Amino acid sequence: QKEVEQNSGPLSVPEGAIASLNCTYSDRGSQSFFWYRQYSGKSPELIMFIYSNGDKEDGRFTAQLNKASQYVSLLIRDSQPSDSATYLCAALTGGFKTIFGAGTRLFVKA
Amino acid sequence: SQTIHQWPATLVQPVGSPLSLECTVEGTSNPNLYWYRQAAGRGLQLLFYSVGIGQISSEVPQNLSASRPQDRQFILSSKKLLLSDSGFYLCAWSSGRNNEQFFGPGTRLTVL
Repeated sequence: QKEVEQNSGPLSVPEGAIASLNCTYSDRGSQSFFWYRQYSGKSPELIMFIYSNGDKEDGRFTAQLNKASQYVSLLIRDSQPSDSATYLCAALTGGFKTIFGAGTRLFVKA
Repeated sequence: SQTIHQWPATLVQPVGSPLSLECTVEGTSNPNLYWYRQAAGRGLQLLFYSVGIGQISSEVPQNLSASRPQDRQFILSSKKLLLSDSGFYLCAWSSGRNNEQFFGPGTRLTVL
C-alpha cells in the first residue's frame, strides 16, 4: 500500500518563528510532491510542488526533497497567525494518482 | 484563468436517498478530474478519477459512482446513501506535467 505519512501535530510555533513540517512516502517511484494548506472547513490550496532533490523556495515557503531518504519537508519562515491551518503533503505515485497524507495541524501563536 | 465549481455547497440527506454532486471546470481543456472524500479530521480519500470523457477509474468499491458526460463536467452519484457516506466531497482538476491538482470549494454532505 502506497502511503504518505505525516505527524498529525498540533505543531505550535510563536509568531515570527520558522515552522518545519515533515512527511515521508513509501513509493520510491513517486515523481512529484506537493504541499497544500487547508483552513478549517475549506478546501485544500496548493502552496507549492517539488520534483528535484534539494530546496525550492517561494516567498516565505521552502520545500525540501530527499529522494534517497523518501522525505519531504516544508519550511515556513516568519510564521504568521494566518498560517495556522492543516498542511497536507502529497505524492504523485504514477500515472495520475496522488496520495495525500492525513495532514499536520499548525498553530502560530501571536 | 481556470475556475472550478461545485454544487451544492452543503447537503443533508436521509439514509437510502439518492445523491448527485456536480463539478465543472472553466478555462482549461481536457483536464484530469478527481473526486475525493474527506471524513472529519481525516485525510483525503481518492474515490474516482477521469482522464477523459467517459473514462472513469474507481479507487474504492462502494455505493458511489461517477460519470464524465462532458470534457469539463464530473458527476458523483449514489442510488442509496449510507450513514458512512457523510463527509466533505472535493472535486479537483489537473493538467500540468507534474499533475498538480486544484480543488473546488467542496460539498459538505450529512447523511441522517
